[in-house]
Amino acid sequence: KNQVEQSPQSLIILEGKNCTLQCNYTVSPFSNLRWYKQDTGRGPVSLTIMTFSENTKSNGRYTATLDADTKQSSLHITASQLSDSASYICVVTGGSYIPTFGRGTSLIVHP
Amino acid sequence: NAGVTQTPKFRILKIGQSMTLQCTQDMNHNYMYWYRQDPGMGLKLIYYSVGAGITDKGEVPNGYNVSRSTTEDFPLRLELAAPSQTSVYFCASSYLTGVDAYEQYFGPGTRLTVT
Repeated sequence: KNQVEQSPQSLIILEGKNCTLQCNYTVSPFSNLRWYKQDTGRGPVSLTIMTFSENTKSNGRYTATLDADTKQSSLHITASQLSDSASYICVVTGGSYIPTFGRGTSLIVHP
Repeated sequence: NAGVTQTPKFRILKIGQSMTLQCTQDMNHNYMYWYRQDPGMGLKLIYYSVGAGITDKGEVPNGYNVSRSTTEDFPLRLELAAPSQTSVYFCASSYLTGVDAYEQYFGPGTRLTVT
């Protein structure tokens, strides 16, 4: 069964600090992996999309990595800001139209 | 360019009632999707469409119906609402499929409560 597991479930950090969120998946075959940011009460917004051949993708202060051999991905947030408080969702798409979503990591950034 | 719009934002239904959730996109995307998001769970795909006149079931289609008569609109119909359909519903669209690594754009969601 295709699964996407994210850790930690929730995280609290101080403004200005860095953090790393983890995503492990069992989806096979693999087409691409996405990280989304979802603010409370809003729809998800895409941060990065990586295919099999890519192992790093950056979007401003967000950097995603992918190890397709171990089926792991991470999202690193540098110099966190209050506006980074949100849920971060890992999504893996295999050979069909049906993506597998993780439950998300809830990040809270305190001043 | 409004992106993906959904109406209504909130709705409370009684058990057994029916309703249609509206979704419109103005990006001329071929692919459109309906997801539901239950508290603490990942989004689940209900139905998707690869173009006008073509729809297919996703992971959790039971209790729902869709139609795609135009490229822009992809309404989701709930017949005989049940408490298990209490959720937040998101519509999304993309130029190509998720398999092709094209970005999906999500609407703001519709929060539905069935009591």
